[in-house]
Amino acid sequence: DAKTTQPTSMDCAEGRAANLPCNHSTISGNEYVYWYRQIHSQGPQYIIHGLKNNETNEMASLIITEDRKSSTLILPHATLRDTAVYYCIVRRLANSGYALNFGKGTSLLVTP
Amino acid sequence: NAGVTQTPKFRVLKTGQSMTLLCAQDMNHEYMYWYRQDPGMGLRLIHYSVGEGTTAKGEVPDGYNVSRLKKQNFLLGLESAAPSQTSVYFCASSLERGLADTQYFGPGTRLTVL
Repeated sequence: DAKTTQPTSMDCAEGRAANLPCNHSTISGNEYVYWYRQIHSQGPQYIIHGLKNNETNEMASLIITEDRKSSTLILPHATLRDTAVYYCIVRRLANSGYALNFGKGTSLLVTP
Repeated sequence: NAGVTQTPKFRVLKTGQSMTLLCAQDMNHEYMYWYRQDPGMGLRLIHYSVGEGTTAKGEVPDGYNVSRLKKQNFLLGLESAAPSQTSVYFCASSLERGLADTQYFGPGTRLTVL
């Protein structure tokens, strides 16, 4: 899997957009960008993934730069329940094996 | 649609006891996984299965056995529990679409071995 770099922690005010960056400058050809999060004491939760184009679902938007070397996860209206550790993972099943490598992630604190 | 469920949620064992953790998914996924997560550490893959009747070792398989007799269930067994197996265990299943695989996780089983 390509190496990813994320800030250790971020704060966001409730109701505002949370923009979580991820650098993956060594990403290769068909590797996908995935975002997961883990709320304290719960199982990891899949959020979104993409290859080249921007993606949006009911939880978030994923913006991938044209050169694919970085991406941003956007939570459009953060709530207190979005406080969690967010993980950016770059992988391609055929090359990466089956284990997800979560790394350190970004600890997002949403404040009232 | 319950997704991925795990039984039990909590368990305390004494050293040398055995137990089985049950994972069930109702999404008709082919692939299933067992991970463990220790404090301050990431998830580590114990065993996985790419289909009914098949299992394979992950990164940390020692001390564990698994079985996948039915597509929807994946069992993790500890034959003789050790304090080093105190951890939170997560089961996951995934839907394969080409080269992308999205893993969906259960709520976890918190196991303490005394």
